[in-house]
Amino acid sequence: QEQLVESGGDLVTPGGSLRLSCAASGFTFSDSYMSWIRQAPGKGLEWIAYISNSSDVIYYADSVRGRFTISRDNAKNSLYLQMNSLRGDDTAVYYCARDTEFYTSGPPTDAFDIWGQGTVVTVSS
Amino acid sequence: DIQLTQSPSSLSASVGDKVTITCRASQLIANSLNWYQQKPGKAPNLLIHSASSLHSGVPSRFSGSRYGTDFNLTINSLQPEDCATYFCQQSCTTPPWTFGHGTKVEIK
Repeated sequence: QEQLVESGGDLVTPGGSLRLSCAASGFTFSDSYMSWIRQAPGKGLEWIAYISNSSDVIYYADSVRGRFTISRDNAKNSLYLQMNSLRGDDTAVYYCARDTEFYTSGPPTDAFDIWGQGTVVTVSS
Repeated sequence: DIQLTQSPSSLSASVGDKVTITCRASQLIANSLNWYQQKPGKAPNLLIHSASSLHSGVPSRFSGSRYGTDFNLTINSLQPEDCATYFCQQSCTTPPWTFGHGTKVEIK
């Protein structure tokens, strides 16, 4: 079945780096747009990064731009998030999600229709 | 950035009740509004996309509607398994895409 599995979460000290991975299976990853979304403890959801299927379009939230880098390897059906200069407010569960364009009437709507189980990143000294 | 104001932040209702959650966008976003359900310790699941289209496999007691910049998620006949937090999310034009702060639904 369609599945996303994140890995790489860990406890890291402020200023440190971490690389998250997301393995896709059960669907055509190379045709799919992907995003990273995070959720701080007890808080809501925050979209942080998007990458198109061919990596030619990338967007970041202001909160991570310049520190985080999203990338993908379609040959390995994998999505990545390189996180540098980590801060305490980066502590969160990090989800990868498939971003699908849904066509109804009018322009298409992007929605996150497949999510991984999440990986926990804790930034603390 | 487009802001989403979700209300109420929490509610308590009985099994069988009709429940409505509202999400107000800070500007016109056409029908680019989605709803998700998240249970404790789990990833969110897509319920409604494009303001009113039921995602595949979602029970028909869930429905969505739009009135200008106001969007509603309605649960007809609340069930025990609907105990969860519900988030709205906008995807108008290009990112940043934003989420509402969530509505926690509890069963009386």
